[in-house]
Amino acid sequence: TQLLEQSPQFLSIQEGENLTVYCNSSSVFSSLQWYRQEPGEGPVLLVTVVTGGEVKKLKRLTFQFGDARKDSSLHITAAQPGDTGLYLCAKTGNQFYFGTGTSLTVIP
Amino acid sequence: DTGVSQDPRHKITKRGQNVTFRCDPISEHNRLYWYRQTLGQGPEFLTYFQNEAQLEKSRLLSDRFSAERPKGSFSTLEIQRTEQGDSAMYLCASSLGGQSYGYTFGSGTRLTVV
Repeated sequence: TQLLEQSPQFLSIQEGENLTVYCNSSSVFSSLQWYRQEPGEGPVLLVTVVTGGEVKKLKRLTFQFGDARKDSSLHITAAQPGDTGLYLCAKTGNQFYFGTGTSLTVIP
Repeated sequence: DTGVSQDPRHKITKRGQNVTFRCDPISEHNRLYWYRQTLGQGPEFLTYFQNEAQLEKSRLLSDRFSAERPKGSFSTLEIQRTEQGDSAMYLCASSLGGQSYGYTFGSGTRLTVV
């Protein structure tokens, strides 16, 4: 098992606030993906990062891949209630290993 | 194409019974994966197929679990002699293959063993 640690595990914030969640591994990622999962549904792919130091933006979401490709962060600006969900990072390979997840609640 | 379909969405069964779940992947995807997810946790890998070949199985997949993809299209996951610890969401995903491609997940089958 290749352990992916995500932090924080739970996060509850007010609408309009900014937040960052983290994904860390002791080993190098060849590439990493972020997913968001809503209750009762499967995860949905948000982004793939491949190159160390890479930054990708998706509207109010900014994804960064660490220079050493062992960690990644997801920053959300001006969070909205629609951002509520479980955010998962996944280490890619023949099969993907998912992190423990960050459960985000945005309160209106 | 309507994405990845899983059936049933919910299953309640008594301990000791057998259950079977079905997954219909996106038609052009050659890879199909099964994951298990418990509440508040990330999905845990169970097994995956490339076309009809089952290429890898997790240690989580005990002898009571079996998966098939007979024609390289839909797949079934069977759990025999269910136990309360089998209660979880069972997720199916498909992809074009290769780690640069993301997974497309189904909505899952929620299994409750009573």
